[in-house]
Parts: sequence; structure tokens; C-alpha cells
Amino acid sequence: SAVISQKPSRDICQRGTSLTIQCQVDSQVTMMFWYRQQPGQSLTLIATANQGSEATYESGFVIDKFPISRPNLTFSTLTVSNMSPEDSSIYLCSVAMAQGPKQYFGPGTRLTVT
Amino acid sequence: AQKITQTQPGMFVQEKEAVTLDCTYDTSDPSYGLFWYKQPSSGEMIFLIYQGSYDQQNATEGRYSLNFQKARKSANLVISASQLGDSAMYFCAMRELSGGYQKVTFGTGTKLQVIP
Repeated sequence: SAVISQKPSRDICQRGTSLTIQCQVDSQVTMMFWYRQQPGQSLTLIATANQGSEATYESGFVIDKFPISRPNLTFSTLTVSNMSPEDSSIYLCSVAMAQGPKQYFGPGTRLTVT
Repeated sequence: AQKITQTQPGMFVQEKEAVTLDCTYDTSDPSYGLFWYKQPSSGEMIFLIYQGSYDQQNATEGRYSLNFQKARKSANLVISASQLGDSAMYFCAMRELSGGYQKVTFGTGTKLQVIP
């Protein structure tokens, strides 16, 4: 398995501002993902973070709103831009290992937008 | 089309009893993996158990076992000897393994409450 950390663990932000969430893994992983979980809902994949290239976004998510970086095999950031109250969610980083199909999650970032 | 279905929004179980959480899935990919995750109120997603489509035996991890019925496309989670700390949301998920893009799809979850 992998040990995944996320910063910040939670934040309260003002409407119209941006927040960058960091995800750090203790080992090199093949794939990194960012998920959103709105209150009382299941997980929705935002994008796959690709090392050294632009992220692959799912339908309904765009780079201008959720820019993602992945400069190396152990680190990625997700920015939530121009936030509105509808962006209040838990944002989770997830990784898949080269050794098998299992997927693990970070502890999540609980974001509240006022 | 929804690929993962969890029909039980909420379940109650008496402490020390066993409980089964239902999950059915839909895929045409012969190679896939099925996951169960636990999400306590803290929000973290805790990996519980994994079953590959070609695995001959049902997966087990301590008190967790996966009742895999391939022909029925079901992957139910069985928790034996329930504990109060098992109270949480439980998500079933699937990953299709053929091809280059390995997206995991989640069900809507089941909220389990363990009663003392």
C-alpha cells in the first residue's frame, strides 16, 4: 500500500477565492486521481493527474476551474478556482500502484465555501 | 448507465452480529476489480477488500469477506462480529482493467449503524 497525505485537511474559504490542495505519496505511483464528494453524495472523479503533462478531465470538469499539476511521481496539486458555495465538498486524492489494480485514498480535504 | 448499484441506503445491525451489504455491478469487460471502502464520519476512505474478476476464491480480510457471484454480477460485503466502530458509510466500487484508462466507479453507498 501507499501512505498518502493531503494538505490542508480542512479549510473555510470566501466565495471568489482559490484554494490549492496538495497530495503527497510516500512512494512512486503510476496513477494519481482527484475526486470530489459533495455532502451526502458518492465520489465523483474530477480528473486523472498525469505526470509531466496536462490532466485528463472527466465530463463536467474543466481545467480553468480545477487546474491540476503533477510535477513528479509522488506529488500532485488540485486548485479549486473562483470558489462558490457549491464547491463545498470533500476533495480526495487517490493513487493506483504499479504492482496491482488496488487503489488507495488520502485522508481528504474538507472544504467549506462561505 | 449506472455500473455499480447499492440498493440499501441504510442498514442496522446488532453488535456482534454479522451483516451483508449488497452490491451489484455491470460491465462487459472480462477483466475487472471490485473494491469495498469504508468512510467514517471523518471523511477518509479506508480500503477494506479487493476481488479480481479472475480470482477463484472469495476475498477475505479479517472480519471482512466478499461474497463474489460472478454470474449474478454481485459482490456483497460480509462483516462478521460487528463492532461499534464499524458504523460508517460503505462504498462498493469497480475498476475495469482492460485498455489504458482504469477509472474506478463508485456506488451510492450504504450507511451502516451498529447498535449496542
